[in-house]
Amino acid sequence: QVQLQESGPGLVKPSGTLSLTCAVSGGSISSGKWWTWVRQPPGKGLEWIGEIHHSGRTNYSPSLKSRVTISVDKSENQFSLNLNSVTAADTAVYYCARESAWGYSYGPWGQGTLVTVSS
Amino acid sequence: EIVLTQSPGTLSLSPGERATLSCRASQSVSSRDLAWYQQKPGQAPRLLIYGASSRATGIPDRFSGSGSGTDFTLTIGRLEPEDFAVYYCQQYGTSPPTYTFGQGTKLEIK
Repeated sequence: QVQLQESGPGLVKPSGTLSLTCAVSGGSISSGKWWTWVRQPPGKGLEWIGEIHHSGRTNYSPSLKSRVTISVDKSENQFSLNLNSVTAADTAVYYCARESAWGYSYGPWGQGTLVTVSS
Repeated sequence: EIVLTQSPGTLSLSPGERATLSCRASQSVSSRDLAWYQQKPGQAPRLLIYGASSRATGIPDRFSGSGSGTDFTLTIGRLEPEDFAVYYCQQYGTSPPTYTFGQGTKLEIK
């Protein structure tokens, strides 16, 4: 079964760039599914950031579009998130996930990784 | 952009009782595009329901989804201790393709 694992720095300075990678195991990132990033500020709800297809097509949240880039590395079977010009409001647990077998929903998910924006 | 409003914000019930959670959309949503997730503390969300009413693999049949248009419901038939968690609805929108989550309903033990 497909498993996902997020990795990256847990601390990013304000105005810097947040960079995370999601490693996919147990399946190919070129499976035809979409791959997504979702975040959750401490004690708050879920926010969709964007998604990528193995072909390189992307869709982004309108509220984050100007600061977000999601890319895919088929040779490493992983995809990545870059979020620039970060502020404390970007402090959150960041999850990666795969489009579900039925579409228009997500599962499985990675365990999530906490990123704190602070000097 | 479609906004999803979940109610109530918190629901206090006892094990064995029936839970009814609501998700209301600001515009009509295709049933195909509506999903429900369960999230327990310190864990990632888990897909429960897709297509408004179909259970994901391994989800017990006490979980059911219903609704259409702007009003959707997640029902938990008889609450088990492990069902106390936060539940989110999610919708897929086109033009441009985006996903939106509701703010969540916390189901707590009474």
